Amino acid sequence: AQKVTQAQTEISVVEKEDVTLDCVYETRDTTYYLFWYKQPPSGELVFLIRRNSFDEQNEISGRYSWNFQKSTSSFNFTITASQVVDSAVYFCALSEGAGGGNKLTFGTGTQLKVEL
Amino acid sequence: DAGITQSPRYKITETGRQVTLMCHQTWSHSYMFWYRQDLGHGLRLIYYSAAADITDKGEVPDGYVVSRSKTENFPLTLESATRSQTSVYFCASSERGQGYEEQYFGPGTRLTVT
Repeated sequence: AQKVTQAQTEISVVEKEDVTLDCVYETRDTTYYLFWYKQPPSGELVFLIRRNSFDEQNEISGRYSWNFQKSTSSFNFTITASQVVDSAVYFCALSEGAGGGNKLTFGTGTQLKVEL
Repeated sequence: DAGITQSPRYKITETGRQVTLMCHQTWSHSYMFWYRQDLGHGLRLIYYSAAADITDKGEVPDGYVVSRSKTENFPLTLESATRSQTSVYFCASSERGQGYEEQYFGPGTRLTVT
């Protein structure tokens, strides 16, 4: 069975600090996909990034970066120079490969609070 | 409006009543999903559908019924609501089921069972 663990329930930082959100996953599949979603206080779920199991390149998008390491089954998310608008719940999720029906297994989420 | 919508956005019902949550998408996506979000559990899959008239159970299907007679609609019914079904319910859709597609989520329905 697939499992996603986000051990950090809540993180508080002061604006402009860097923060890393951890995600550890378990799967028996060799082909799988990892996702990060953001849930701001308004409640909607916003897609941030997708990674497939064959692509271990790190990715940077503005202040956001993602570090995917198959050796440790981790897909961590770093926000550089955090801002108050980054305050949200962040979910890591895992999807099986083709034939899996695109079902997502979510972690329990990390609540990020960025304060002035 | 284009996109994925859910109705109602808020619902209060009593234990034992039947309640139906509606989900509608305008993209003609093949796959649709229902998740529930609870503190400490993240989002958990209730049911999903690969196409009209094709549905399957997710992780927490007990107490829920779904149907999909049209591609664009995927209603979720609680046949006899219980307090444990108090939650926020999200509907989502994706174009195919290859695993890599982004899922597009509706705004959610907050359901309270008293």
